Amino acid sequence: IAGITQAPTSQILAAGRRMTLRCTQDMRHNAMYWYRQDLGLGLRLIHYSNTAGTTGKGEVPDGYSVSRANTDDFPLTLASAVPSQTSVYFCASSEQGAIDEQFFGPGTRLTVL
Amino acid sequence: AQSVSQHNHHVILSEAASLELGCNYSYGGTVNLFWYVQYPGQHLQLLLKYFSGDPLVKGIKGFEAEFIKSKFSFNLRKPSVQWSDTAEYFCAVNAPRRYMDTGRRALTFGSGTRLQVQP
Repeated sequence: IAGITQAPTSQILAAGRRMTLRCTQDMRHNAMYWYRQDLGLGLRLIHYSNTAGTTGKGEVPDGYSVSRANTDDFPLTLASAVPSQTSVYFCASSEQGAIDEQFFGPGTRLTVL
Repeated sequence: AQSVSQHNHHVILSEAASLELGCNYSYGGTVNLFWYVQYPGQHLQLLLKYFSGDPLVKGIKGFEAEFIKSKFSFNLRKPSVQWSDTAEYFCAVNAPRRYMDTGRRALTFGSGTRLQVQP
């Protein structure tokens, strides 16, 4: 593989359920990001990680958590999904953090009912 | 608060027409600027970026953008659009944000402009 992979491609989830969105990159980038894309709002940063072992909160972190146990993987967890978390989720990575171009994954379309 | 404004939400053009999409940002310090494109059903891809130097930046597929610091603008242009340019275009600005660690920057995206090119 080359680039960023995300799984699942799409998911329908009942409210209250726990869900983990997976993201893996093979570019050995230091920084990784999770965004949500909503119509009319563009992309908003949920959480980020500047390097393995560290994470930080973005613009809209509530209801989400992340971990960065190694360089390649950056899973996003919804502990108890709510309908307002219905969105398209994009994972991204960059070599040197936010001063750099970010490369995006194909996205996960999540619907919470 | 820092923000990025894309004034055109939906643009419809005929093939061969010229394109200009507006982007304004509100951060007063040094910024890095990007235009990303999202073709239908695909993920975001970088069109072009400005870090420093010549304010006229050329990107892929014949796109260019001009950074005008005094106007806080980074408008995207293409002299002659094609049907294959139908996509959503996002302007993004890299600037310090209050929710980031001190000194760290984050990309702030505009709300996007949907371009529809009719054959």
